Amino acid sequence: DVKVTQSSRYLVKRTGEKVFLECVQDMDHENMFWYRQDPGLGLRLIYFSYDVKMKEKGDIPEGYSVSREKKERFSLILESASTNQTSMYLCASSLVGAAHEQYFGPGTRLTVT
Amino acid sequence: GQSLEQPSEVTAVEGAIVQINCTYQTSGFYGLSWYQQHDGGAPTFLSYNALDGLEETGRFSSFLSRSDSYGYLLLQELQMKDSASYFCAVRDPTNRLAFGKGNQVVVIP
Repeated sequence: DVKVTQSSRYLVKRTGEKVFLECVQDMDHENMFWYRQDPGLGLRLIYFSYDVKMKEKGDIPEGYSVSREKKERFSLILESASTNQTSMYLCASSLVGAAHEQYFGPGTRLTVT
Repeated sequence: GQSLEQPSEVTAVEGAIVQINCTYQTSGFYGLSWYQQHDGGAPTFLSYNALDGLEETGRFSSFLSRSDSYGYLLLQELQMKDSASYFCAVRDPTNRLAFGKGNQVVVIP
């Protein structure tokens, strides 16, 4: 079974704080993705990575950065959290040739106050 | 870019059949995926169509027409556990998925 884990299920941060969201997968997948999910908007891609130290911007990268130092780990960083970044954050992974079949972590519900 | 259209909510009784439609506009298209997400849960992969036609996986089937930029997910013999949101997602040549806004299915006894 593919397992994708995320560091926190719920997180509350203050405006201006630096926030780290960690994601780890155990299936040696090359691709990893970060999405945010908001009511009525579906899943929107923030960043993705197809290899260690490689990253590509998704549809809404502003205010976020990512780090992939090891194949199994993909971190999302909010440099200075703002209230409009309150959301559910979902990490996913897939094999390099199978981006259509992504495995998702349980999500981190981030609240920025 | 991509845009995907899905209707928002469907209510159906146990044992019924529900069809969830998805139309898309995209500058590059490799295939159409479907995901299920229960309330509070993570999306889980259901099916993928790269070619025209019908793919059947148990009670669920997915259809694609590339010429019409259209696909659907068919849920048969509905069960209470099928109450969830269903998302279509376009796979593009850059190896990413663009998700629709989702369709909530509510199954009632």
